[in-house]
Amino acid sequence: DAGVIQSPRHEVTEMGQEVTLRCKPISGHNSLFWYRQTMMRGLELLIYFNNNVPIDDSGMPEDRFSAKMPNASFSTLKIQPSEPRDSAVYFCASSTDGTNTGELFFGEGSRLTVL
Amino acid sequence: AQSVAQPEDQVNVAEGNPLTVKCTYSVSGNPYLFWYVQYPNRGLQFLLKYITGDNLVKGSYGFEAEFNKSQTSFHLKKPSALVSDSALYFCAVALYGNNRLAFGKGNQVVVIP
Repeated sequence: DAGVIQSPRHEVTEMGQEVTLRCKPISGHNSLFWYRQTMMRGLELLIYFNNNVPIDDSGMPEDRFSAKMPNASFSTLKIQPSEPRDSAVYFCASSTDGTNTGELFFGEGSRLTVL
Repeated sequence: AQSVAQPEDQVNVAEGNPLTVKCTYSVSGNPYLFWYVQYPNRGLQFLLKYITGDNLVKGSYGFEAEFNKSQTSFHLKKPSALVSDSALYFCAVALYGNNRLAFGKGNQVVVIP
């Protein structure tokens, strides 16, 4: 299995530009998570999907952030417009329910730098 | 709300010595407890979890953790540390049957040759 695949691995953009991060979860996993990691705040859960439906988006910082999961094999996290304080590593993770609850499989992350 | 605390920013240990990384949790209800490890420029990797049963759980790479309900702790341990164990370690908690994990801030472990 290829694991969770994220793209791009690195993105450098200018303030005000739109940023789209992509994630392909592990096949058969029905839960998908977007996390943000910074030195100051550590690892923060932004949004959580179950069976393609957003369950908890209370961690999304503000309206500039949006996430979609149009099907079981693809999700996007969009920031529009981007700001320097959005600079962070964004992780996507997937999981199954039941006995494997909580065993998240993380992608390699997308490192975003907003100038 | 569920949360975990990892009181130390960095843990330094000599190679071959025992390694302990501390974690305490706060949750209303039965907790699921987890440890994850992050190597540089990589995503987090699952190490082990406590759901129910034996308080001592064993995981990957020789790590184990002990659940202590009275002290609300779930410390990670390894009897003999390796240089390759140098990484960032995260404790996490979830409510029973819930996939929504709350992670601690992480502990940097440095194993000195």
